[in-house]
Amino acid sequence: DIQMTQSPFTLPASVGDRVTITCRASQSISNWLAWYQQKPGKAPRLLIYKASTLERGVPSRFSGSGSGTDFTLTINSLQPDDFATYYCQQYNRFPYSFGQGTKLQIK
Amino acid sequence: EVQLLESGGDLVQPGGSLRLSCVASGFTFRNYAMTWVRQAPGKGLEWISSLSGNGADSYYADSVKGRFTISRDTSKNTLYLQMNSLRGEDTAVYFCAKPASFYYFDSWGQGTLVTVSS
Repeated sequence: DIQMTQSPFTLPASVGDRVTITCRASQSISNWLAWYQQKPGKAPRLLIYKASTLERGVPSRFSGSGSGTDFTLTINSLQPDDFATYYCQQYNRFPYSFGQGTKLQIK
Repeated sequence: EVQLLESGGDLVQPGGSLRLSCVASGFTFRNYAMTWVRQAPGKGLEWISSLSGNGADSYYADSVKGRFTISRDTSKNTLYLQMNSLRGEDTAVYFCAKPASFYYFDSWGQGTLVTVSS
């Protein structure tokens, strides 16, 4: 099974900051990686798929990169609405798996 | 507009059973594989099961294999999750999710809460 490891677990930041979240796969997943944003009590929201393709309607301050085993989600110029928990997910093969999440919190 | 509406969550005793439903609308249900993902209180997301569009191929996480069964009724645009031999660690919000062209999920339901406790 493919394990997904995110870092950091929590990320204090301020409005206007640029932040980066890392996701590492235990084996190569090519670019079969998605990123989601989740707010308390809500369903996840798809942000990025295929490692770097922005989902329709997602602001351009979000970007993704990487391939193989190492991936990043970058948010430029943080907005108040961006404080949430972020998850990566590999869909290279079953069983599909999520990272443990990164909570982006106000510094 | 795609809509997914889960139901069936409840408080159930350990060892008990429950069936979750997810009614889909806004897309051609039979053309899409569907998935259940759960989230224990205060924890992360866990993929637990997927079912192909024609219902022929199903996949399960080890944590639920042999206890949970995923199925679908295309005539009712409904996805099901039959959960047997429930344990405390099955306590979670259960989401159904629709994939885009591959198994990343562009639409999610609001979730239904399953609590396993005596």
